Amino acid sequence: DAGVTQSPTHLIKTRGQQVTLRCSPKSGHDTVSWYQQALGQGPQFIFQYYEEEERQRGNFPDRFSGHQFPNYSSELNVNALLLGDSALYLCASSAGRVNSYNSPLHFGNGTRLTVT
Amino acid sequence: ILNVEQSPQSLHVQEGDSTNFTCSFPSSNFYALHWYRWETAKSPEALFVMTLNGDEKKKGRISATLNTKEGYSYLYIKGSQPEDSATYLCAFGAAGNKLTFGGGTRVLVKP
Repeated sequence: DAGVTQSPTHLIKTRGQQVTLRCSPKSGHDTVSWYQQALGQGPQFIFQYYEEEERQRGNFPDRFSGHQFPNYSSELNVNALLLGDSALYLCASSAGRVNSYNSPLHFGNGTRLTVT
Repeated sequence: ILNVEQSPQSLHVQEGDSTNFTCSFPSSNFYALHWYRWETAKSPEALFVMTLNGDEKKKGRISATLNTKEGYSYLYIKGSQPEDSATYLCAFGAAGNKLTFGGGTRVLVKP
């Protein structure tokens, strides 16, 4: 039973470029959430996808966008990269309705994005 | 903006000693409190999901308590072992809102 998988594991981009990160949820999970973790901080919620729609969003600018596909996998896109976007990006999957926090999140290993 | 605080930020524990640390969260609109363990080079792993005031959960040598009225949860590690070295994250879920994570407590168990 495959857990949450993320790709790529590491990525180096230049300021102003665009990046796409990918996530496949744990088998049986239909909800995908994305988090940004900067050094020394806890994960910050970016957004959550359920039934191919963005259902919740954190305090991130519109440069951050996403998509969920019919097979529940998801992409996170970041446009016009800034140095401050350098961080670990975590994908987490869960089962059930949005805002149903009785079940734990299952996390991938993350994508380390470095913007130079 | 929900404020979830964890203290201390880091702690060193001698192997065999017991330790505990705190997660503080808003006492209103409580829905759930999660604890995760995050070992280096791995992904965060769920330890507990707690939803009721007074909940106590246990997994091996690790246990947690929950007080929703005063807005805090304690995580306890009994007889710490080197493999307990990790960052421990708590996350607060408010009704109708996203899970908000604390900054974590980094635990280093010294042999």
